[in-house]
Amino acid sequence: GAGVSQTPSNKVTEKGKYVELRCDPISGHTALYWYRQSLGQGPEFLIYFQGTGAADDSGLPNDRFFAVRPEGSVSTLKIQRTERGDSAVYLCASSLGTSGNEQFFGPGTRLTVL
Amino acid sequence: SQKIEQNSEALNIQEGKTATLTCNYTNYSPAYLQWYRQDPGRGPVFLLLIRENEKEKRKERLKVTFDTTLKQSLFHITASQPADSATYLCALDSGAGSYQLTFGKGTKLSVIP
Repeated sequence: GAGVSQTPSNKVTEKGKYVELRCDPISGHTALYWYRQSLGQGPEFLIYFQGTGAADDSGLPNDRFFAVRPEGSVSTLKIQRTERGDSAVYLCASSLGTSGNEQFFGPGTRLTVL
Repeated sequence: SQKIEQNSEALNIQEGKTATLTCNYTNYSPAYLQWYRQDPGRGPVFLLLIRENEKEKRKERLKVTFDTTLKQSLFHITASQPADSATYLCALDSGAGSYQLTFGKGTKLSVIP
């Protein structure tokens, strides 16, 4: 069966540019999460969607980061005016939406800001 | 503030032995704890979940314990195999039924043939 997919797998951009990262969750999963993982660290929570709405965006580091999920399935993480410190692997996960359910992760998008 | 510590960054073990990984936390009252496996270049894969009212959970060669008094979880892999070599992450919810997971840094396990 299809798992969580993320595109692109790699993204190289220049400082100050705008990037969009896409996540296709498992069909039927109402909950969707974005995490950021730096080398040698565990995933760091960014934002969580339940359906179309952002139920918890407390992990977004600043207002350059924004995410949408307009139809309750595919989500896009948007980063404006990228900085070198934004370089990391951005992971998307989905779950059935009940607290405590396992999260299914995608392979991640490796973002490099030059 | 909330803090999660996994006992070591790396653990080397001989094939066939039992690997034991530790996850400690402070300033938390999690409702549940999860363990994930992560291979290089891949996203984490769920292994086990244990709730606050459970002491132990088993799945095949895996065993997880959860001691809410000590604020500690132990993750055991019995009869370890080279294919078990990976980074293992513990993750806790943020309490009160939160969906948000907070992850430790992970322990890189190497099983030596």
